[in-house]
Amino acid sequence: DADVTQTPRNRITKTGKRIMLECSQTKGHDRMYWYRQDPGLGLRLIYYSFDVKDINKGEISDGYSVSRQAQAKFSLSLESAIPNQTALYFCATQTARDSTDTQYFGPGTRLTVL
Amino acid sequence: LAKTTQPISMDSYEGQEVNITCSHNNIATNDYITWYQQFPSQGPRFIIQGYKTKVTNEVASLFIPADRKSSTLSLPRVSLSDTAVYYCLVARENQGGKLIFGQGTELSVKP
Repeated sequence: DADVTQTPRNRITKTGKRIMLECSQTKGHDRMYWYRQDPGLGLRLIYYSFDVKDINKGEISDGYSVSRQAQAKFSLSLESAIPNQTALYFCATQTARDSTDTQYFGPGTRLTVL
Repeated sequence: LAKTTQPISMDSYEGQEVNITCSHNNIATNDYITWYQQFPSQGPRFIIQGYKTKVTNEVASLFIPADRKSSTLSLPRVSLSDTAVYYCLVARENQGGKLIFGQGTELSVKP
């Protein structure tokens, strides 16, 4: 089984709808991250969490919110989806040992907002 | 965090050695140079990390000169399965683990 899983893997929705993307991990890591990737571009950080109930904004947090109720789960919500939020979304985990430690990425969720 | 600059794309043939150079002129003393690989429709995967001189693992080598303002990822004898995007990043100690991804280098390996 994969260590970092994301659901759903693909989602098509309409403008104005509320969407939740889920990330689960079995690696026992404290740190979790949400990134988005647009075609031909690198990943950009949306939100990150160092522990349960700890939430920090990344470089592009507007229009998104997150929830970290358990160590293993980190959810990303789009309260009112808009077309320019169409992108590939990745969740990642990292140990708390050091900030230079490897980040482990999930398989991604492809979101299309019509 | 230091900004990195790397070529947008590179072409190679199977069996060749590929070297991808990354520039990070504003690197700080507590920054580590890190490379990730991303296949289409997959999440990035860690390849290698170094601070100075040379680091080698089963996948690649990383060469870092004394001034640390650049680094070179070396992939020995590439195969078609090495076709991917390669990201050079700078990771800073005690700075929250945030990674800044640039556009990366799209490597295309041809038969």
